[in-house]
Amino acid sequence: AQSVAQPEDQVNVAEGNPLTVKCTYSVSGNPYLFWYVQYPNRGLQFLLKYITGDNLVKGSYGFEAEFNKSQTSFHLKKPSALVSDSALYFCAVAPNAGNMLTFGGGTRLMVKP
Amino acid sequence: NAGVMQNPRHLVRRRGQEARLRCSPMKGHSHVYWYRQLPEEGLKFMVYLQKENIIDESGMPKERFSAEFPKEGPSILRIQQVVRGDSAAYFCASLPGTGTTGELFFGEGSRLTVL
Repeated sequence: AQSVAQPEDQVNVAEGNPLTVKCTYSVSGNPYLFWYVQYPNRGLQFLLKYITGDNLVKGSYGFEAEFNKSQTSFHLKKPSALVSDSALYFCAVAPNAGNMLTFGGGTRLMVKP
Repeated sequence: NAGVMQNPRHLVRRRGQEARLRCSPMKGHSHVYWYRQLPEEGLKFMVYLQKENIIDESGMPKERFSAEFPKEGPSILRIQQVVRGDSAAYFCASLPGTGTTGELFFGEGSRLTVL
């Protein structure tokens, strides 16, 4: 069975500073990894995914994530945070060739002006 | 192209009543997933359906919960004899069924409150 851990309930960052939201995973076989964002009272929106290829994946709104196989991690990053990035971020994993996503518990990102 | 449509957005039920949540996937999408989000928690997979078929219901509670995705019309998540612990946001997501992997398109959720 696959699982995802997001060790931080909340991450606080000042606007303009780089941000990292951590994610580690456990899955059999090659992982498919995803990040989604949820704004208040809204559904989740897809940000980016890693299937294969380059370990650094670029996504929407200037976000990127780095796949690290040895550390089984897929941390979300952004070089310069915006106040509007404040939201709930979910990491997810699926087994290879599957669409059965398992989500982490979410990390609330707070970007202060 | 309309997104995934869920209704009602908010539903209040008393203990013992039934709750029916509807989900119309994006046009052309034939795969539907239901997830539950408890307050301050992540999303938990409930069920995965294709038209007229339940593909995976491993996340569904064994009693009181059922789901369907008929040939015509929306997918329905039905909760019978609701209890307070059923209070949550229920999200539906859809996929075309072929091609993209994992880029689920989510609806805005149905928030169930059980009094």
